[in-house]
Amino acid sequence: KAGVTQTPRYLIKTRGQQVTLSCSPISGHRSVSWYQQTPGQGLQFLFEYFSETQRNKGNFPGRFSGRQFSNSRSEMNVSTLELGDSALYLCASSLVKGSNTGELFFGEGSRLTVL
Amino acid sequence: QKEVEQDPGPLSVPEGAIVSLNCTYSNSAFQYFMWYRQYSRKGPELLMYTYSSGNKEDGRFTAQVDKSSKYISLFIRDSQPSDSATYLCAPGDTGNQFYFGTGTSLTVIP
Repeated sequence: KAGVTQTPRYLIKTRGQQVTLSCSPISGHRSVSWYQQTPGQGLQFLFEYFSETQRNKGNFPGRFSGRQFSNSRSEMNVSTLELGDSALYLCASSLVKGSNTGELFFGEGSRLTVL
Repeated sequence: QKEVEQDPGPLSVPEGAIVSLNCTYSNSAFQYFMWYRQYSRKGPELLMYTYSSGNKEDGRFTAQVDKSSKYISLFIRDSQPSDSATYLCAPGDTGNQFYFGTGTSLTVIP
């Protein structure tokens, strides 16, 4: 069974640009969550999508947005990039059981560097 | 106060040692508890998933949850060099959101 796939794996942008990251969840998983990982802050929750709807959102500015498609694939977008946005962006998919998300299975991440 | 507190280490032990990794949390609503292992430049890999208080064992790994003291532990028996990684605890509530500790860096010396 294929795991969570994230693209691109590495990218370099300059301040003010925007970036779009993509995530393909494990087949059958309908929940996709996004996390930002930095050395000082650890993993911080960005948002979760389930059945094309944003179900939860973390404390990030509106420059961070996402969406989910009918095939459960998800994208996140960061506009007007700042130096502090440099991080590893991780996508996790899960098999929803009832109203609970269940275990999170992570991809390898997209490492963003903002210059 | 952070939702989850985890000693960042680094922790260095000899091969074969018993390792104890710990987290504390503040939200009494947390009912689901996960432990992840993350190798350098890789995504986190799920190790253990438990619900409510008690112990869960899987091979050399034992996860322990004490909800009364809001304390989570992961024990690794007979530690191996391949266990060298960062370990992340992640409690969650029923709202489908998990809160991650900053991780403890472990090195097992052959």
